[in-house]
Amino acid sequence: DIQMTQSPSSLSASVGDRVTITCRASRSISTHLNWYQQQPGKAPKLLIYSASTLPSGVPSRFSARGSGTDFSLTISSLQPEDFATYYCQQSYSTLTFGGGTKVEIK
Amino acid sequence: QLQLQESGPGLVKPSENLSLTCIASGGSISSTSYYWGWIRQAPGRGLEYIGSIYYRGNTYYNPSLKSRLTISVDTSENQFSLKLSSVTATDTAVYYCARHSYNWSDSFDHWGQGTLVTVSS
Repeated sequence: DIQMTQSPSSLSASVGDRVTITCRASRSISTHLNWYQQQPGKAPKLLIYSASTLPSGVPSRFSARGSGTDFSLTISSLQPEDFATYYCQQSYSTLTFGGGTKVEIK
Repeated sequence: QLQLQESGPGLVKPSENLSLTCIASGGSISSTSYYWGWIRQAPGRGLEYIGSIYYRGNTYYNPSLKSRLTISVDTSENQFSLKLSSVTATDTAVYYCARHSYNWSDSFDHWGQGTLVTVSS
């Protein structure tokens, strides 16, 4: 299995901050990488697919980049509704998720 | 707008079978563009992929669960189902069904609300 490691596991930030979360794959996955946001008690929501593509309806303050083994998700200006846990997921082989990054209010 | 709804027992005894169904509304399971998948999340933990099925019955299972797993589809009822055999406490989790978009890098673009299944005697 390809292991996905996210960092940090949690972070504290304020509304308006720029936040970056990283995800590293245990071997190269090209751009077969997706990102999800999960609010407490809710199902995950797809934020990014194919490493950098935003589905319709996802705010433009979210962006992502990366290829190979190193990926990042950036929120340009944190909004109150963005406090949540974020997961990466690789689709190069048997689908696996990262351990999550919890974004908390400072 | 597609909606997915999981249903099934919330409590299962150890060594028994866990069975869940996901009913789709506002969209067809028989779409040629999607698989239909299951993902679970143990309490306070991350997400684990279980498996997916195409409307024709083609399946893709997580190898770690494959020996205990059966996913089936009923296009006439617009639903798909999960059966996990010989469960233990480690199978306690919220189980989500989701639309598996293989054209979008095998991502899950629509999710059910999830259902908690507890394995306990």
